Amino acid sequence: NAGVTQTPKFRILKIGQSMTLQCTQDMNHNYMYWYRQDPGMGLKLIYYSVGAGITDKGEVPNGYNVSRSTTEDFPLRLELAAPSQTSVYFCASTRQVANYGYTFGSGTRLTVV
Amino acid sequence: AQSVTQPDIHITVSEGASLELRCNYSYGATPYLFWYVQSPGQGLQLLLKYFSGDTLVQGIKGFEAEFKRSQSSFNLRKPSVHWSDAAEYFCAVGAGTGNQFYFGTGTSLTVIP
Repeated sequence: NAGVTQTPKFRILKIGQSMTLQCTQDMNHNYMYWYRQDPGMGLKLIYYSVGAGITDKGEVPNGYNVSRSTTEDFPLRLELAAPSQTSVYFCASTRQVANYGYTFGSGTRLTVV
Repeated sequence: AQSVTQPDIHITVSEGASLELRCNYSYGATPYLFWYVQSPGQGLQLLLKYFSGDTLVQGIKGFEAEFKRSQSSFNLRKPSVHWSDAAEYFCAVGAGTGNQFYFGTGTSLTVIP
C-alpha cells in the first residue's frame, strides 16, 4: 500500500516556465488536497477535491490550476512560474477528516529562479 | 472563520523533561482537532486526533492532548521528551464542507542533551 505518492521530489523552474506536480493515492479516498508550506506560515490550502470531476479553490489558489479526472490522481499545474511560488508542496487525501485525518505525501520542493 | 493559533514558534527542552505545546482554535461548532509532526524533509504524520468523547486523547510516540472547550485549546503533552522528538509540530482543526483542515503555523521543537 503506497499511500500518497508525489512526484517530483525536487524541481527548479525558471520564471515563466510551467510544470505539473503529480499526486496519486491508492486508498480510494474521495477527498484530495494541495497545500503549500512556507517557513513560519504553516500550511495553506491551494485547491481541494471532494471527488472525481469536482474541484474547488482553497485559501491561496492564484497561479495554480487542478483537475480530478480519476479518484486516484490530483495533479497541480503551475502555468507561469513566479518566485513567490517557491515553496514546499504537499498533497494529501482522506476518506473522511473526522475519523481518519489526512494522509500526506512526502512533498515536492520547488524553487523558481 | 476557522483559525488555529500556535503561540510558540520555537521551544527548546532538555531530554527527559516534560513538554507542552499550546494550540488554540476558533470554530463555531464542535471541532475535529489534530496534531501532526513533521521531521526535517518529511511529510506530516498524524500524532493524535479528537472528535468526541473523552477529552484526553492518547497518540503515538507517547504523546497525549487534552481538549478544553472552555479555553478553546488542544494542548499537546509528553511527560519525558526524547532526542528523536525534535521536529515541527502542527495543530489543525477539521472543518468545512470539503473536509478541510486549517493548520496552525507550527512549533519547532529542539531537544538538548
